[in-house]
Amino acid sequence: EAEVAQSPRYKITEKSQAVAFWCDPISGHATLYWYRQILGQGPELLVQFQDESVVDDSQLPKDRFSAERLKGVDSTLKIQPAELGDSAMYLCASSRALGGTQYFGPGTRLLVL
Amino acid sequence: DQQVKQNSPSLSVQEGRISILNCDYTNSMFDYFLWYKKYPAEGPTFLISISSIKDKNEDGRFTVFLNKSAKHLSLHIVPSQPGDSAVYFCAATKPFTGGGNKLTFGTGTQLKVEL
Repeated sequence: EAEVAQSPRYKITEKSQAVAFWCDPISGHATLYWYRQILGQGPELLVQFQDESVVDDSQLPKDRFSAERLKGVDSTLKIQPAELGDSAMYLCASSRALGGTQYFGPGTRLLVL
Repeated sequence: DQQVKQNSPSLSVQEGRISILNCDYTNSMFDYFLWYKKYPAEGPTFLISISSIKDKNEDGRFTVFLNKSAKHLSLHIVPSQPGDSAVYFCAATKPFTGGGNKLTFGTGTQLKVEL
């Protein structure tokens, strides 16, 4: 069964450093999502792509976060500079099309010291 | 403003019995609801969904019930198995109108199925 791939699985960094996360969606899935899950809460959407275009980034803290999906396949989420409050699980999901069922990757757990 | 609420942070059930997980929502625009299961150190796994035009959807041991008038849905697992022990998230989405279709999640319920 095809899966969403994410790397790294774990990342420890110091505050003010830059970090980047990578996501490879299920083959053929046009829609890609990045969510952030803080411990004890449900995931919250940061950004959504349809192919290479951003559909929704209203919850993305654009002063420090950026996301791209240049060729409409894999995607990178970057944080610069990282802050202590960014410690969370960063989840990538994909769906075949807008409105389709979203399938999640294993996530990247970020710890900012 | 928590639009999707799971008021029970944890639930413990004996193996073979029924597990009932509850979820309430406040936004009447939600028209599609999903349940995800999450094991530690893994991403959420899609379990079952239901459209607002239905009041029940069944898939094997899992059944989701939707009560639109009460803005309430529940997930029934029968019979419960130890492998069902996980965190269960309720999620909802609004009709897609071209502006994206983000999932709004509840805070999750930790289910423990005991032998």
